[in-house]
Amino acid sequence: KAGVTQTPRYLIKTRGQQVTLSCSPISGHRSVSWYQQTPGQGLQFLFEYFSETQRNKGNFPGRFSGRQFSNSRSEMNVSTLELGDSALYLCASSRDLPRPGNTIYFGEGSWLTVV
Amino acid sequence: DQQVKQNSPSLSVQEGRISILNCDYTNSMFDYFLWYKKYPAEGPTFLISISSIKDKNEDGRFTVFLNKSAKHLSLHIVPSQPGDSAVYFCAASAKLGAQKLVFGQGTRLTINP
Repeated sequence: KAGVTQTPRYLIKTRGQQVTLSCSPISGHRSVSWYQQTPGQGLQFLFEYFSETQRNKGNFPGRFSGRQFSNSRSEMNVSTLELGDSALYLCASSRDLPRPGNTIYFGEGSWLTVV
Repeated sequence: DQQVKQNSPSLSVQEGRISILNCDYTNSMFDYFLWYKKYPAEGPTFLISISSIKDKNEDGRFTVFLNKSAKHLSLHIVPSQPGDSAVYFCAASAKLGAQKLVFGQGTRLTINP
C-alpha cells in the first residue's frame, strides 16, 4: 500500500514568488492535513481538508491556502513568499478523525527554501 | 501558549537499557495521544497511540502510559537499540479538533552502543 506522496521533495524560490505543493494521500483516506516544521516553531498545523472542504485552519496568514480535489489529492499554496517561510512542509492523511485504528500518516515532506 | 510540552530536548541512553520520553499537556479536551519518530528532512513515522479511556498501550518494544489526572504521558522503549536514535514527538488531538494534531517540541534520543 503506497504511503502519502508529496511533490516536489525539494525546491528553492525567491522572495515574493509563490509556490504550490502537492500531496497524494494513502488510498482510501479522505482527510488530508498540512503542517509546517521549522527549527524555531516545531511542527505547526496549517489546515485540514475532508471531502474537498476545509475543516480546520491553524494560525497562519492568508498567504497560506489549500484545496482538496474530488480524488482526495490536495495542494497547498503560499503566495508572496518570505524568508521565514523556509521550512519542511508535511502532508498527512487519515481515513477520518484520528482515533484508535484510524491513525494519521505523514508523507516525507517538501523542503522549501526561500532566498 | 504551548499545549503540549516535551521538557527534555535531548536524552542519551545506553543500548539495551530503557528509554523513557515524557510529555505533558494542558488542554483537558485532548482525548487521543500519539507518538511519532522523525529523522531529519523526513516526515514523522507513527509509533504508537493511546486513547484517553486507557492508561497503557503496548506494541512490541514500545509502551505508552497515560496519567490523565497529571496530564502526563510517557513513551517507554525497551530494550533501546541504535536504530531508535531519532527525534520523538508527542502529539495530541481533541474530539472536536478534526484531524488537527498539536505537537510537542520533540526530544532527540541518542542510543549509545
